[in-house]
Amino acid sequence: DGGITQSPKYLFRKEGQNVTLSCEQNLNHDAMYWYRQDPGQGLRLIYYSQIVNDFQKGDIAEGYSVSREKKESFPLTVTSAQKNPTAFYLCASTGHNDYEQYFGPGTRLTVT
Amino acid sequence: RKEVEQDPGPFNVPEGATVAFNCTYSNSASQSFFWYRQDCRKEPKLLMSVYSSGNEDGRFTAQLNRASQYISLLIRDSKLSDSATYLCVVNPGRGNQFYFGTGTSLTVIP
Repeated sequence: DGGITQSPKYLFRKEGQNVTLSCEQNLNHDAMYWYRQDPGQGLRLIYYSQIVNDFQKGDIAEGYSVSREKKESFPLTVTSAQKNPTAFYLCASTGHNDYEQYFGPGTRLTVT
Repeated sequence: RKEVEQDPGPFNVPEGATVAFNCTYSNSASQSFFWYRQDCRKEPKLLMSVYSSGNEDGRFTAQLNRASQYISLLIRDSKLSDSATYLCVVNPGRGNQFYFGTGTSLTVIP
């Protein structure tokens, strides 16, 4: 079954800790994206990557970091510098000949 | 100005009603347009792409008006299962990021 997986589904952390969210895809897609969604709001782009070993900041990159060492994987680290990290985090990918974005099931992060 | 703007609603309609959502975009060079559906606490899923000629999929019709820079989604004969948030998505072109509207909330009432 091809698709995007994100783990874990729910994540709880204490303030001041860094946390890494996993995103893996077996769709052979070149581009991958991380979004953040807050209650009642739309998706905001954190980072995106068009190819391996390259990525660009989105609209709200401050306090986040990413890596793209493999085509299949695009992990997101939420650092302690992120002021309001509690949110629903969504990973997506897009194929080379495709404009549609495919989403993973999301990780709901709660920081207290 | 936001890249994509949608009326957040909520739209509360009775079963069987016809409901329409509009979305405007600011970049006249945008190339790809989509409607996504998002259920509560779930990821967005593609409902339909929007083509210049307009397209229909069962009870759903999507249209694009490039001159006025808006896209629309029409849902006929609303079902309870249509209750969700509908997101308008625009892509200026390959290699660019996707821009999402804030979503329009629809509740279909028995």
